[in-house]
Order: sequence, then structure tokens, then C-alpha cells
Amino acid sequence: GVTQSPTHLIKTRGQQVTLRCSSQSGHNTVSWYQQALGQGPQFIFQYYREEENGRGNFPPRFSGLQFPNDSSELNVNALELDDSALYLCASSLIGQGYGYTFGSGTRLTVV
Amino acid sequence: AQKITQTQPGMFVQEKEAVTLDCTYDTSDPSYGLFWYKQPSSGEMIFLIYQGSYDQQNATEGRYSLNFQKARKSANLVISASQLGDSAMYFCAMSTMDSNYQLIWGAGTKLIIKP
Repeated sequence: GVTQSPTHLIKTRGQQVTLRCSSQSGHNTVSWYQQALGQGPQFIFQYYREEENGRGNFPPRFSGLQFPNDSSELNVNALELDDSALYLCASSLIGQGYGYTFGSGTRLTVV
Repeated sequence: AQKITQTQPGMFVQEKEAVTLDCTYDTSDPSYGLFWYKQPSSGEMIFLIYQGSYDQQNATEGRYSLNFQKARKSANLVISASQLGDSAMYFCAMSTMDSNYQLIWGAGTKLIIKP
């Protein structure tokens, strides 16, 4: 399956945070989603072959990396209170349009 | 514009009854997929069922079925014989080739099963 770490963390406004995701074996694409409390998830970006392969309406302070072993990071700089959310990672195969496997998410609280 | 609409913020259903959760979608892409996910309070997204735009028959997975009405652009989830463990948030989502298969989500429906 997909593993995300940490499960919870608390950061102070202005700080930087790194969230991690380990993809399902055999998958080559990883996507990140932000889910604010009481809302549906919003697409942040997707990575394939270690390059960004699509981006939602998020500012550049949201950035990512994908590594050769298909693990991934989501980095957020200059944290704002509105960045408090559940961050979900999903892995899949490029171009399939189905078969997404989600991790359990990281709950980020910015104070 | 590509959009998913779920018009039921919350629903209460008696245990063992069937329940229908509504979902309408909007896309001009002829190739798309429709999904339903369950999200318990713990947060993980649990895949329930998938329907491709070219699939002729409605998808079924155990107690879950997807009522796919292409002309009306609706993809309602039907849960037969509801159980207490079905209480959760339910999200409808869509992927399209035009959007590079990113998932577009509805706002969700909170389902509570009453004993």
C-alpha cells in the first residue's frame, strides 16, 4: 500500500514542513491532495519520472520531489494558518485514470 | 469546466435500509472515470467503486452499485442493506484525460446509519 509520514504534526506560521509518501509497489505516479476540514480534497500536483506532471491552483511555496524508488515529498514553505489540512498522497500508473491507492494522510496544524 | 456536485451535505438512514448518495458531474471530455470513496473519521480514503465513461453496464462491488446515467451526467452510489460501519463521509470524484487524470472531487456527503 501507500505509506505517509508523519501522521500528525504541528507547525508555527512561517515555518517550513516536509511530508513524505512511499508509493505502492509497481506504481510510477504520485499525486498530492490537500483536504481542508469539511471539504473535498484539492489537487496540488502530480509527479511522474521525478518530474512535475501537472499542478493545481497552489502557489509555488508548495513544491515536491519524487525519487527513483518512487517515494515522494511534499514541501511547504512559509506556512500559513490556511495550510492546516489533511494532506493525502495517492499513487497510480501513468495514463490509466483509475487504480489510485491512497495513504492514510498527514494532518498538518499550523498555529 | 470540470466539476463534481454532491448536493446532500448529510443523510440519516436506518440500519439495513438501502441508501442512495447523489453525484452529478460536468465535463466535455468523452473519456472519463467516476469514483466513489469512503472516508472514515480516521482520514484514509477507501476506494469503493469505479465506472468508466465507456462502460455499458453499471458497476457493482458487493453491497455497492453505481447508478450511471450518462445523458443526465449522474453517477449515484447505492448502498444496499446499510450497516452501522457505513457511517462516514462519502466522496464522488472524476478523472479525465484532458486533466491528465488528476482527481476532481465533490464536497462530500456525511452518512450516518442509525441503529
